Amino acid sequence: SQQGEEDPQALSIQEGENATMNCSYKTSINNLQWYRQNSGRGLVHLILIRSNEREKHSGRLRVTLDTSKKSSSLLITASRAADTASYFCATDTENRDDKIIFGKGTRLHILP
Amino acid sequence: EPEVTQTPSHQVTQMGQEVILRCVPISNHLYFYWYRQILGQKVEFLVSFYNNEISEKSEIFDDQFSVERPDGSNFTLKIRSTKLEDSAMYFCASSESGSDNEQFFGPGTRLTVL
Repeated sequence: SQQGEEDPQALSIQEGENATMNCSYKTSINNLQWYRQNSGRGLVHLILIRSNEREKHSGRLRVTLDTSKKSSSLLITASRAADTASYFCATDTENRDDKIIFGKGTRLHILP
Repeated sequence: EPEVTQTPSHQVTQMGQEVILRCVPISNHLYFYWYRQILGQKVEFLVSFYNNEISEKSEIFDDQFSVERPDGSNFTLKIRSTKLEDSAMYFCASSESGSDNEQFFGPGTRLTVL
């Protein structure tokens, strides 16, 4: 069964604006991670948030987690052209095994 | 900053040939993973490896696939007889300790099966 699902699938905003991406998941989790992927490139780890945390910051990134709604959001403030990429959430599984399950991602395009 | 490396960056092979994809995980990490991403699709888990054995594998990881840690640094994925549908980006990842920690990904190997 699918786990993380991002919303929206694609997002275009003007440089300098804030970008918000959402992720919903189905089963209980231990943690949730956000990754960035530039076109055709590898995955860059952004933030890990644990199930007992509600919010986490890293530079211009803010991640929230609402376990009651089984959802997370990634906010990028003051967006830059270099933020253009696909953003994925990934969750561990109910079984607490080693794998993480990725969503389909949000394609973010920052317009100059 | 330590990082996961992968070689080659691009591998082209004929259908039915064997390929070996190589990865060097971060040195103090104990858990190793392979994922793949077919063009335009989501990243899919293939296998996890800990303490010199497979700890978890997906339905994709059938008998054509195998993993090995032949020495203290390399972690390899072998596909015995490649199929057209094996064409994808293959990502290696490592973490300090299983699902409780961040998984750090390599840049990927683009496998093209002709």
